[in-house]
Amino acid sequence: AQSVTQPDIHITVSEGASLELRCNYSYGATPYLFWYVQSPGQGLQLLLKYFSGDTLVQGIKGFEAEFKRSQSSFNLRKPSVHWSDAAEYFCAVGLLGGGYNKLIFGAGTRLAVHP
Amino acid sequence: NAGVTQTPKFQVLKTGQSMTLQCAQDMNHEYMSWYRQDPGMGLRLIHYSVGAGITDQGEVPNGYNVSRSTTEDFPLRLLSAAPSQTSVYFCASRTETGNYEQYFGPGTRLTVT
Repeated sequence: AQSVTQPDIHITVSEGASLELRCNYSYGATPYLFWYVQSPGQGLQLLLKYFSGDTLVQGIKGFEAEFKRSQSSFNLRKPSVHWSDAAEYFCAVGLLGGGYNKLIFGAGTRLAVHP
Repeated sequence: NAGVTQTPKFQVLKTGQSMTLQCAQDMNHEYMSWYRQDPGMGLRLIHYSVGAGITDQGEVPNGYNVSRSTTEDFPLRLLSAAPSQTSVYFCASRTETGNYEQYFGPGTRLTVT
């Protein structure tokens, strides 16, 4: 069955430090991959997505992610974290079936940023 | 352009009560869906629609009904609320082809006592 694993439930980093959030997926074909961010009390905002082509994708707010097929991973990175990046981050895999793109989400990683 | 809107933002129900969560989008998107978000479980798909008059079940459809009479609206009905339905509910929409980005509403926080 398709699944998405985010191994880290909580991560705390200092402002200005680099960040890497891990995401592993289980899916038989090449997936569509997404990272969403959710600020407290808000809906989800798309950070970036991978469909095909260059395996390093750039997103909004200075985030990037790298698709590694051999490791079934799509880790999210940011070189220098800002206090406003504190939020919950969700990795998702998009499945095509029945004409609809379904999203399977990971459990999320909550990021705290120390000043 | 309001995007995806949801009402109400908060709701408290007693076990056995019924209610409808409203969702509307003004982007002329064909695809709409409902997710619930529970701590430690991410978002799980409840029901989805690929166009007016067409709906289908997602991962966790039990206890919920949907209908899609217009492109804009996709209400979610709880016929007899249970404490297990305490959750945050998100509606999302996307275009039919090309960009598979889903646009999410702000959510409805539902508590069933």
